[in-house]
Amino acid sequence: SQTIHQWPATLVQPVGSPLSLECTVEGTSNPNLYWYRQAAGRGLQLLFYSVGIGQISSEVPQNLSASRPQDRQFILSSKKLLLSDSGFYLCAWSLPHNSYNSPLHFGNGTRLTVT
Amino acid sequence: RKEVEQDPGPFNVPEGATVAFNCTYSNSASQSFFWYRQDCRKEPKLLMSVYSSGNEDGRFTAQLNRASQYISLLIRDSKLSDSATYLCVVNIYSSASKIIFGSGTRLSIRP
Repeated sequence: SQTIHQWPATLVQPVGSPLSLECTVEGTSNPNLYWYRQAAGRGLQLLFYSVGIGQISSEVPQNLSASRPQDRQFILSSKKLLLSDSGFYLCAWSLPHNSYNSPLHFGNGTRLTVT
Repeated sequence: RKEVEQDPGPFNVPEGATVAFNCTYSNSASQSFFWYRQDCRKEPKLLMSVYSSGNEDGRFTAQLNRASQYISLLIRDSKLSDSATYLCVVNIYSSASKIIFGSGTRLSIRP
């Protein structure tokens, strides 16, 4: 069966520091991968999605970036965090792009507080 | 205009009541639809997919109206454990699956 791992669960970082969040999926090949952010009391905002290694689509301009160095690994990064980057970051996967009825499956999320 | 819109609520209903949520989407190319449930400070979890003919899973019924670009969720005989935020989700499938969430509708069931 498929599993998704996301770490760390919580993170407190000072403004201006770098960020690296990692997500890995097991038990499936060539998944679609996603990063979402949820600010306190708000909905999920799609940040990035990827249909394959090195293929990243960005949804909103910001100081975040994403990379997919391996098929089942998705990394969210920032060179310099802002206070507004605080939130609940969720990684998710779905079946490859030709399976459009595939729902998303989420990791447990990372709660990031920028101080 | 937001791609997926929901009434934020909160809906506060007594146990045993029937409650309905609505959701509209703006992109007519949207291909697939889902309802998710999110508990406080947790990740969203799939509640059910939404099919064109409508579908039911126990006390939950989902409907899709493609002409009106409208999705609904009906919960019958609500339980205290149904208290959560319900998220409408749309897959705008073109060359890749771009999956967009509504901002969610909060439901609180009171004894």
